[in-house]
Amino acid sequence: ETGVTQTPRHLVMGMTNKKSLKCEQHLGHNAMYWYKQSAKKPLELMFVYSLEERVENNSVPSRFSPECPNSSHLFLHLHTLQPEDSALYLCASSQRTGVFTYEQYFGPGTRLTVT
Amino acid sequence: DAKTTQPPSMDCAEGRAANLPCNHSTISGNEYVYWYRQIHSQGPQYIIHGLKNNETNEMASLIITEDRKSSTLILPHATLRDTAVYYCIVRVAMGAQKLVFGQGTRLTINP
Repeated sequence: ETGVTQTPRHLVMGMTNKKSLKCEQHLGHNAMYWYKQSAKKPLELMFVYSLEERVENNSVPSRFSPECPNSSHLFLHLHTLQPEDSALYLCASSQRTGVFTYEQYFGPGTRLTVT
Repeated sequence: DAKTTQPPSMDCAEGRAANLPCNHSTISGNEYVYWYRQIHSQGPQYIIHGLKNNETNEMASLIITEDRKSSTLILPHATLRDTAVYYCIVRVAMGAQKLVFGQGTRLTINP
């Protein structure tokens, strides 16, 4: 596997379900990100992890819970979602060296539908 | 991060150069210009970035005006696979880790 991978690629879940999205990067990067892309809207940053520490949380509802167990893996735990949470969820990674952060590389995304 | 303005859509004939403009009149001296593209329902793909000088890589060229208030991404020989939404983003390279995506330019390459 190369680059950034995401599983599953498609997910349908009910509002009472609990599910998790998984992201894995094979680039040796030390920063990882979750973005949300709703229909007809720009990508929105949700969370940033740098060196496994959450450094940004963009006012995301608590029904979304990120986890970064190591620099290669990032999870997004989902519970009690609403239909408006249906979107493409994208993971990205980048390298941070000192104070510089380099370009981000994105995974293919998970298409989530909440019924 | 500075705001950018891009045309919502453009068309280009296959084999011709596609020139995508971006205005960033409020750019600061330490902000870089980044270009990403997103092919339908896929994750965005990094293309190129620059600070002051023109840049070229295997995918594209980036021309930044001398006053840095605008830039142009050039795809020298566009193919059908270049059909995508192209995003111009300006951001500092130091410390900042978030990309702020606008609506981008939807580029359609026509056969």
